[in-house]
Amino acid sequence: DAGVIQSPRHEVTEMGQEVTLRCKPISGHNSLFWYRQTMMRGLELLIYFNNNVPIDDSGMPEDRFSAKMPNASFSTLKIQPSEPRDSAVYFCASSSLRGNTEAFFGQGTRLTVV
Amino acid sequence: EDQVTQSPEALRLQEGESSSLNCSYTVSGLRGLFWYRQDPGKGPEFLFTLYSAGEEKEKERLKATLTKKESFLHITAPKPEDSATYLCAVQANSKLTFGKGITLSVRP
Repeated sequence: DAGVIQSPRHEVTEMGQEVTLRCKPISGHNSLFWYRQTMMRGLELLIYFNNNVPIDDSGMPEDRFSAKMPNASFSTLKIQPSEPRDSAVYFCASSSLRGNTEAFFGQGTRLTVV
Repeated sequence: EDQVTQSPEALRLQEGESSSLNCSYTVSGLRGLFWYRQDPGKGPEFLFTLYSAGEEKEKERLKATLTKKESFLHITAPKPEDSATYLCAVQANSKLTFGKGITLSVRP
């Protein structure tokens, strides 16, 4: 398996623009997580899905952030409009709900909003 | 609210100098405690899962232990390639809550 795949790896955008981050989880995993990592706050959970259903989105900073999981093999995190304070590394991770439940992370998307 | 505190924030060791990294936690209904390693520019890489107090797991120079309130990652005779940030996380339900990590530097 290729692991969790995120795209793009790097994104530079202007303030006010829409940004869409993409994630393909490991095949067979039924939990998917979106995290944001900054020096100040570390890894923060934004939202997670079980079986494609959003379970907890309490970490989503505000209405400018939205996430979808239309099927078991694809998820998006959208920021509209983007702001400079959204600059961070965004990670997607997936895990199984049964048996070994450790989460496996993608390589991340480094977002810079100028 | 689940909380994870890691200490120290940074640790510098000489090659061969053994030490321990601490992870203190409060969680309702612990399903598991996880240790990850993160190298610069990469995503966290899974190391260990511990499920109950008293459990220990080892991998090469690393050994993780768990009590009801904390976990330790012991590093025996570290090498420069062990330099990385080590993250601890607790799982309640499906949710993983991470500490801020400990940045380990091992000098040759």
